[in-house]
Amino acid sequence: GAGVSQSPSNKVTEKGKDVELRCDPISGHTALYWYRQRLGQGLEFLIYFQGNSAPDKSGLPSDRFSAERTGESVSTLTIQRTQQEDSAVYLCASSVGLAGNEQFFGPGTRLTVL
Amino acid sequence: GEDVEQSLFLSVREGDSSVINCTYTDSSSTYLYWYKQEPGAGLQLLTYIFSNMDMKQDQRLTVLLNKKDKHLSLRIADTQTGDSAIYFCAEDKGYSTLTFGKGTMLLVSP
Repeated sequence: GAGVSQSPSNKVTEKGKDVELRCDPISGHTALYWYRQRLGQGLEFLIYFQGNSAPDKSGLPSDRFSAERTGESVSTLTIQRTQQEDSAVYLCASSVGLAGNEQFFGPGTRLTVL
Repeated sequence: GEDVEQSLFLSVREGDSSVINCTYTDSSSTYLYWYKQEPGAGLQLLTYIFSNMDMKQDQRLTVLLNKKDKHLSLRIADTQTGDSAIYFCAEDKGYSTLTFGKGTMLLVSP
């Protein structure tokens, strides 16, 4: 496809379970970002991948959160032992990687932790 | 302040102009952005302005930047019902990640 895709679009889970969210960036985009948008809040930066460099994990809120990226393609965001406060829309974006370049956002995954 | 600040809600009539304001945090931010989020959709970049500019116009959109006050505004001329969405202001502090405001919900009534 032409844009960033994310799956699943919706995920409902029980507290304490692990979840995996997937992002397929635009082909050729070397930079990939994960953000979290809680209800009524702005976007929070979580993690950033750029090429083969070590990811910038400075936004991850706890050690329950981790993310991986395979080369310059798919990324997965994993949340272990989910808590109710993890409920949010998780947005992925990609860009060509240079500062100031437009970030293209996916539609997001809405996570609800019961 | 530490956060990018925006008013939460704006309501206008169709055909009026809308002005959405934002105060950002870092005077050294190189790029400032406006994103639009329609219900159930991801964010879409509307426009951006480089920090050495005071104004940028793009069709119905006008961006004004006041670096001294760290104030950014987005004016939408002849607002249409299709412009109803949440508008996010964001700054690029140079680390390639963006810092977003909480968004302004624009409601356009016929």
